[in-house]
Amino acid sequence: GAVVSQHPSWVICKSGTSVKIECRSLDFQATTMFWYRQFPKQSLMLMATSNEGSKATYEQGVEKDKFLINHASLTLSTLTVTSAHPEDSSFYICSARSGNYGYTFGSGTRLTVV
Amino acid sequence: AQSVTQPDIHITVSEGASLELRCNYSYGATPYLFWYVQSPGQGLQLLLKYFSGDTLVQGIKGFEAEFKRSQSSFNLRKPSVHWSDAAEYFCAVGGLGNNDMRFGAGTRLTVKP
Repeated sequence: GAVVSQHPSWVICKSGTSVKIECRSLDFQATTMFWYRQFPKQSLMLMATSNEGSKATYEQGVEKDKFLINHASLTLSTLTVTSAHPEDSSFYICSARSGNYGYTFGSGTRLTVV
Repeated sequence: AQSVTQPDIHITVSEGASLELRCNYSYGATPYLFWYVQSPGQGLQLLLKYFSGDTLVQGIKGFEAEFKRSQSSFNLRKPSVHWSDAAEYFCAVGGLGNNDMRFGAGTRLTVKP
């Protein structure tokens, strides 16, 4: 079946630094990838949708200059949290969409900004 | 735009009792419907999904869900709950093409011994 690998699973960074999160589809080509953020005890909120080779579409209220998304190939999408601040601490989850497998989620990345 | 409502924030059931978690959706076309489970600090695990066909869907871990178009509902059920079922449950709706998936607020399940 479809597998999405998300890395790292957790990361701690200093305030003001940038962090990159990778999301790879291992055995299928993902035409579209989605990035979600989940605050403690809350639901998953869609941040942005990315299609391979084009600019990401951000949800209202999500700063595109702060959360940089790159979908350079059909198997890799990255989310870079730039100039991270403690309020960016959250659980980030990617999801890959393909015609055959529907939606497949990564295992998530817990980001802590100190 | 699609949306999902899970009316119950928190449900407590006794081990061995039956369970039903409610989910209502809003979607302009034929929806793809999903139920996921999430343990604390973990990612999402797909329990079951509905795309088309039989409206009663069987999933993993003994869960099932029934799609009722007339009620815009996709409730999750389990006849006998186990202590290991304690977790957060999310209902989600997606669509055709590259439409994204939207999640409900989640229902936290507590299982009493």
